[in-house]
Amino acid sequence: AQKVTQAQTEISVVEKEDVTLDCVYETRDTTYYLFWYKQPPSGELVFLIRRNSFDEQNEISGRYSWNFQKSTSSFNFTITASQVVDSAVYFCALNTGRRALTFGSGTRLQVQP
Amino acid sequence: EADIYQTPRYLVIGTGKKITLECSQTMGHDKMYWYQQDPGMELHLIHYSYGVNSTEKGDLSSESTVSRIRTEHFPLTLESARPSHTSQYLCASSPAEKDYGYTFGSGTRLTVV
Repeated sequence: AQKVTQAQTEISVVEKEDVTLDCVYETRDTTYYLFWYKQPPSGELVFLIRRNSFDEQNEISGRYSWNFQKSTSSFNFTITASQVVDSAVYFCALNTGRRALTFGSGTRLQVQP
Repeated sequence: EADIYQTPRYLVIGTGKKITLECSQTMGHDKMYWYQQDPGMELHLIHYSYGVNSTEKGDLSSESTVSRIRTEHFPLTLESARPSHTSQYLCASSPAEKDYGYTFGSGTRLTVV
């Protein structure tokens, strides 16, 4: 069985604050891929990052960074100096090649001006 | 420009009507999926297909049906719409390799009155 847990249902921050979105996953497969997607109010899903299970290097892309730790089965996402445009629902997802992408329940991020 | 297209973008329809939600992709992807999502909530897999003439039900019980007669086309049909079908329906596709994330359509927001 595979599962993705995003324990934070909703987070509210003030602009320019840093914020970390947590993601914990479960799988028995040794090869898998983890993803983060952003869903703005318009409803489409926007791909942010893909990480495979053999690559535990952290990644930084502008104000976004991701911390992957196999020891704790976590793939956390940090936004530095948040902006109002970051307000969205963020989904963590897991792909083991079985059936389909498994999504977490999402974290709604509200960035107040 | 989107490589996966969903029509209509919005649909309001009366109870008991038959409707078909269209999904087409131009990337030659073998795998296609339908997810159902209440606004800002978790995505639930309702149907998937690994290729032409291959369709399977997903995790969430759905009264909808799908077909895959052509690689690029994966329509979803509701024979008799009910208010409980009110939701957003997201179509996605992916190549055979599991390390790729999915490409999502913009979704169809369905309201059954």
